[in-house]
Amino acid sequence: GQNIDQPTEMTATEGAIVQINCTYQTSGFNGLFWYQQHAGEAPTFLSYNVLDGLEEKGRFSSFLSRSKGYSYLLLKELQMKDSASYLCAVRDRDDNFNKFYFGSGTKLNVKP
Amino acid sequence: GAGVSQSPRYKVTKRGQDVALRCDPISGHVSLYWYRQALGQGPEFLTYFNYEAQQDKSGLPNDRFSAERPEGSISTLTIQRTEQRDSAMYRCASSLTSGGLSTDTQYFGPGTRLTVL
Repeated sequence: GQNIDQPTEMTATEGAIVQINCTYQTSGFNGLFWYQQHAGEAPTFLSYNVLDGLEEKGRFSSFLSRSKGYSYLLLKELQMKDSASYLCAVRDRDDNFNKFYFGSGTKLNVKP
Repeated sequence: GAGVSQSPRYKVTKRGQDVALRCDPISGHVSLYWYRQALGQGPEFLTYFNYEAQQDKSGLPNDRFSAERPEGSISTLTIQRTEQRDSAMYRCASSLTSGGLSTDTQYFGPGTRLTVL
C-alpha cells in the first residue's frame, strides 16, 4: 500500500511564510499533487510535481525529492483566505492506469 | 458540463435502505473516481473507472457497495442495506485521461453528504 504523512494542523500569521511537509511511500510513483480544501467544499488543485525540484506558481511553491519520498508546499505572504486544509496526494501508476492516494490533510489556521 | 456534478447533494436515509449516488463527470473525461471523505480526513479511494470499465474496486468497504458506469460517462455508486457507519461525504472526481500524462489531474465534484439514521 501507500503511506502518506503530513502534519495534522499548523498555525501561521498573516503575511508570513509557511511550509507544509509531506512524506510518502509508493510503489509506482507518477507524480505528487497538492490540493486546497476549504471547509465544506471540494478539493481544488494547487500544484503538481513529477520531477525533483521546485515548482512556483505565484504565492505557492511546491518541492519534490523523489529519492527521499518528500515534498513540501510553501505558501508566501499568507492571507486570511488561505485558512484551509491542504491535501498531499500521490499518483501511483499501476498497469498503465493512474490511482490517487491522499494524505489526511493539514489544517492551516492563518491568524491576523 | 462545466464541472463535475453530483446528486443528490444531501441524502438522509434510514438504516437498511438502499441509496444510489450519481456522478456526472466533466464531458470527455475518461477516468472517474469515487472517494469517501470523513470529516477532517483526506479522500479515501473507493473505486475507479476507465471509460465504462471498472479497473479497480479494491477500496469498496464490503459487498454492500457497488458502482457502475455503463456508458462511460455518468456513474452511480449504490449502497445496499445502509448502516450508520456508512454516513460520510461521498465525492466523485474525473480526469481527462487514464494513462501517464504528467499534467493530468483530478477535478472533484461537490460531493453527496449521506446520513444514515
